[in-house]
Order: sequence, then structure tokens, then C-alpha cells
Amino acid sequence: SQQGEEDPQALSIQEGENATMNCSYKTSINNLQWYRQNSGRGLVHLILIRSNEREKHSGRLRVTLDTSKKSSSLLITASRAADTASYFCATDGFSRTYKYIFGTGTRLKVLA
Amino acid sequence: GAGVSQSPRYKVAKRGQDVALRCDPISGHVSLFWYQQALGQGPEFLTYFQNEAQLDKSGLPSDRFFAERPEGSVSTLKIQRTQQEDSAVYLCASSPTGGGVDTEAFFGQGTRLTVV
Repeated sequence: SQQGEEDPQALSIQEGENATMNCSYKTSINNLQWYRQNSGRGLVHLILIRSNEREKHSGRLRVTLDTSKKSSSLLITASRAADTASYFCATDGFSRTYKYIFGTGTRLKVLA
Repeated sequence: GAGVSQSPRYKVAKRGQDVALRCDPISGHVSLFWYQQALGQGPEFLTYFQNEAQLDKSGLPSDRFFAERPEGSVSTLKIQRTQQEDSAVYLCASSPTGGGVDTEAFFGQGTRLTVV
């Protein structure tokens, strides 16, 4: 079963706009990660945020974490057509340290 | 190699056939994971190896699924007597540490299995 859910399930924006997607999860965590998956390809790690961090940046990516609400958000600024992909959050499930537990994903489409 | 390599990329099996999926992790990586991804869904955990030890196989859906990593590097996921519900993309991932999920995982391209 999936740990969490991404919201929205699908998102379509124009190139240059910002894209925000959210992830909610169920159990306590030690860390949360975001991955990108292009159609028919494997997952690529984007960013890891630990439970004692509230915000993290990497290039055009900004991730926030609110452990009290068990939620995280991923912001992609100045989106490009190449950002078109599915985005997944993954948590460690706190005590279940051998599993990355993935959400259901957000399908982002950036229109040129 | 430079990344995680999986083979074959595509496999079509007749129902009832046995299949073997191979994963070559990044050299030196301690942790190796197998995931199953159904169409339109997120990856679901199958099993985890720390070197050659299979520490978690709680995600294997039935006793038809078997995974091994005998020398702590290459891993094989075997599915016996395949069923249509086994159709999915099987993803392998590795990470450098033995701590499980405290670092990023590096994923292969996956093997798309179709059971007809």
C-alpha cells in the first residue's frame, strides 16, 4: 500500500510558470525525498529533506516539510518543457528503515 | 558501470512461464532494492538486500516471487508461474550505505514485464 498521496494527481502549466505539488503521508518519518520519473524511465532523485529541516533548495527546486501536518510540498520555479514528468514523494516510514515508501505521484505537463 | 543497469528492458511472458529479471547495481553499493510499479501508480516495495543478506522481503506478493543477491552485487528477481497481475515495471535501486533509506537511491530504467 502507498504511504502517501500527491496532490494534484495531474497538473498542466505553461512554460515559465511555477509548479507546486503536495505530498501527504501517514506515519512519522526520519526523512522525505522527492523523485522525478520521465515517461518509460527510471526514477531520478531530486532532493532529500530530513525531519528536523523545514525547507531546502536545489537550483529551481524548493521543498518544504511540515511534520506536524505530515505534509511536504515541491515547488519548481520557472518551469521548462523538460520538467514534464511524474513526481513522487518517498518516505522512510520511520521505523521501517529498509523501505522507501512512495506516494501516488503528480503528473506534470509543461506546455511550450 | 555508471548507473544501475537492468535487463531485459522488456519481457513478454506467457501465463505460467517463469521469468528472471537481472539488476546490476552501482559498483560498491551496499543496499539494493526491488520495486514493482503498476501503470499510473507509485513504486511498491518488494524486497531489500544489504550486501548478500536479504533483510526485508515483506513486499513480495506471493511465494512465486523470489530474489537473490548471492555475492552482494548482481541481483536476480525470479517470478515463477507468471500471472497476468504480475504485469508491471520492475525497478531496481541501489544506495551506497547500509543504513537502508537514509540516503538517495539510484534507480535503473526498469524491466517492463507483460504477461499474456
